[in-house]
Amino acid sequence: GAGVSQSPSNKVTEKGKDVELRCDPISGHTALYWYRQSLGQGLEFLIYFQGNSAPDKSGLPSDRFSAERTGGSVSTLTIQRTQQEDSAVYLCASSLGRSGANVLTFGAGSRLTVL
Amino acid sequence: GDSVTQMEGPVTLSEEAFLTINCTYTATGYPSLFWYVQYPGEGLQLLLKATKADDKGSNKGFEATYRKETTSFHLEKGSVQVSDSAVYFCALEGNYQLIWGAGTKLIIKP
Repeated sequence: GAGVSQSPSNKVTEKGKDVELRCDPISGHTALYWYRQSLGQGLEFLIYFQGNSAPDKSGLPSDRFSAERTGGSVSTLTIQRTQQEDSAVYLCASSLGRSGANVLTFGAGSRLTVL
Repeated sequence: GDSVTQMEGPVTLSEEAFLTINCTYTATGYPSLFWYVQYPGEGLQLLLKATKADDKGSNKGFEATYRKETTSFHLEKGSVQVSDSAVYFCALEGNYQLIWGAGTKLIIKP
């Protein structure tokens, strides 16, 4: 696609429910990243994919968080048994390759509110 | 490990003022350096980059020069506009991802 698409753009859920956030990267971008941005805060790295593999999952905050990527394209971030502290904007970005010098293209984000 | 330090915000300026947002880094070698910008309600986007020492990145009237002697990449603009109000992130090239600063919120008053 022309840009990185994320859905839903907004999600309000009750504490304890599971949520899935979707990212559709730019076609041909092999690297995909998930970040979390809490209100007024910087970027918190969650996970990095190169193709369908996730060489670095070190940023996932707990075992309630998981992510997968299929076909080297779409990625899904799943949060189980959501907690209020999970409320944040979840950002997805993609780039051409594994080099850290590649320019990242970001989606508009998915705003999650846990009541 | 590698790290990026930005000046804390918010930075509040009047329209047409001169802007500097400081960014310093700690890194092994000479990584590429970036400024990304996040306008209200929008996703982050690349503002400018520099790939080697003494390079100057520029875009939309913003400039930043890669200074290895001071390990800095300060963002400057000669005359800011209300539309420049945003959060600005400095970042450096890591192994496979960017190392991010905490972000600086810029508020421009008419």
